[in-house]
Amino acid sequence: EDQVTQSPEALRLQEGESSSLNCSYTVSGLRGLFWYRQDPGKGPEFLFTLYSAGEEKEKERLKATLTKKESFLHITAPKPEDSATYLCASTGSSNTGKLIFGQGTTLQVKP
Amino acid sequence: DAGITQSPRYKITETGRQVTLMCHQTWSHSYMFWYRQDLGHGLRLIYYSAAADITDKGEVPDGYVVSRSKTENFPLTLESATRSQTSVYFCASRVGQAREAFFGQGTRLTVV
Repeated sequence: EDQVTQSPEALRLQEGESSSLNCSYTVSGLRGLFWYRQDPGKGPEFLFTLYSAGEEKEKERLKATLTKKESFLHITAPKPEDSATYLCASTGSSNTGKLIFGQGTTLQVKP
Repeated sequence: DAGITQSPRYKITETGRQVTLMCHQTWSHSYMFWYRQDLGHGLRLIYYSAAADITDKGEVPDGYVVSRSKTENFPLTLESATRSQTSVYFCASRVGQAREAFFGQGTRLTVV
């Protein structure tokens, strides 16, 4: 069965302290690996899609990378406004279009 | 307005009552999804639909019913609400299987 696991569950950083969030996936025939940001009381907001190992996407202080088993969301010199829950999701070729999410990483960036 | 909208935003209902959560998207996306989000469980898939009149179970379908007679609408019905169904419900849609999904603002449902 397709699974997505994120770590750590929570992460506290000082402003400017770079770090990475991990997303491990076991999916047959990966069709897409997705990253989302979710602020309290709101729906998830799409950030990136990765399709194949070695692919990288960047947006401001965020960079997402993909290997055959994991994806990382690197946060460079974070600011307090980067505080949110970051969610990872995948779709595989065998799951007929399901979009399965990990449990998320809640990031707090202190000034 | 273009996008995906859920209604109501907040709902309080009593145990045993039937309640329907509405989801409407204006993009004509093929796929639509219903998730529930609870502390400690992340987003769990309840049901999804690949097209009008095609629906399939997700991870936690028990106690829920869906229909999709029109591409743009995907209502979720709790036939007899239970307290364990107190949660935040999110609807999402996407154009194709390998594309990103877009989410509504959520419905906070409380069953008393």
